[in-house]
Amino acid sequence: GIQVEQSPPDLILQEGANSTLRCNFSDSVNNLQWFHQNPWGQLINLFYIPSGTKQNGRLSATTVATERYSLLYISSSQTTDSGVYFCAVENSGGSNYKLTFGKGTLLTVNP
Amino acid sequence: DAGVIQSPRHEVTEMGQEVTLRCKPISGHNSLFWYRQTMMRGLELLIYFNNNVPIDDSGMPEDRFSAKMPNASFSTLKIQPSEPRDSAVYFCASSFTGGRTEAFFGQGTRLTVV
Repeated sequence: GIQVEQSPPDLILQEGANSTLRCNFSDSVNNLQWFHQNPWGQLINLFYIPSGTKQNGRLSATTVATERYSLLYISSSQTTDSGVYFCAVENSGGSNYKLTFGKGTLLTVNP
Repeated sequence: DAGVIQSPRHEVTEMGQEVTLRCKPISGHNSLFWYRQTMMRGLELLIYFNNNVPIDDSGMPEDRFSAKMPNASFSTLKIQPSEPRDSAVYFCASSFTGGRTEAFFGQGTRLTVV
């Protein structure tokens, strides 16, 4: 099946810093989503971004489908950004309905 | 819309007991997924329904697990009998497979089997 690799696995920032999280995937995709799992365990949708660039406030994401990667940018980080960020993809071939998740990036933002 | 609703939020049960987890998908969505999250295996798909029909249950760990979707607005995941290794967070998610297939997750049920 499709492989999803996220980097870095862990990231510690001071409040106000910027960061870039990366997601590499091994095959073509119909769907790519970024989620934030907050300290209470909720999976919050950040972006639905199978290709192109989107921005939402301090967060933006870019997916280059032809090169099989996506980037999530967090600017001016806040303590509330802490949690695990997951990339999940839906393979465009075979079983193309399920999301395959990466292992996530654990982000800690210190005050 | 209230989003995907799961119940209960937390469940503690004794080994051997039956456990039933419940999910109400987002109205209008025609696909429903049950995922399980553990430290060891991360987030993994257990079963996928499309238009209330189970399409892929290859992720269901064993016969002790079963899932139903009697109508478009309700699904259950049952474990009978439960074992300590079933302890995990179980998520339900729904999407509309007719274009934009963005999936939305419920808040999860944290299951502890003692």
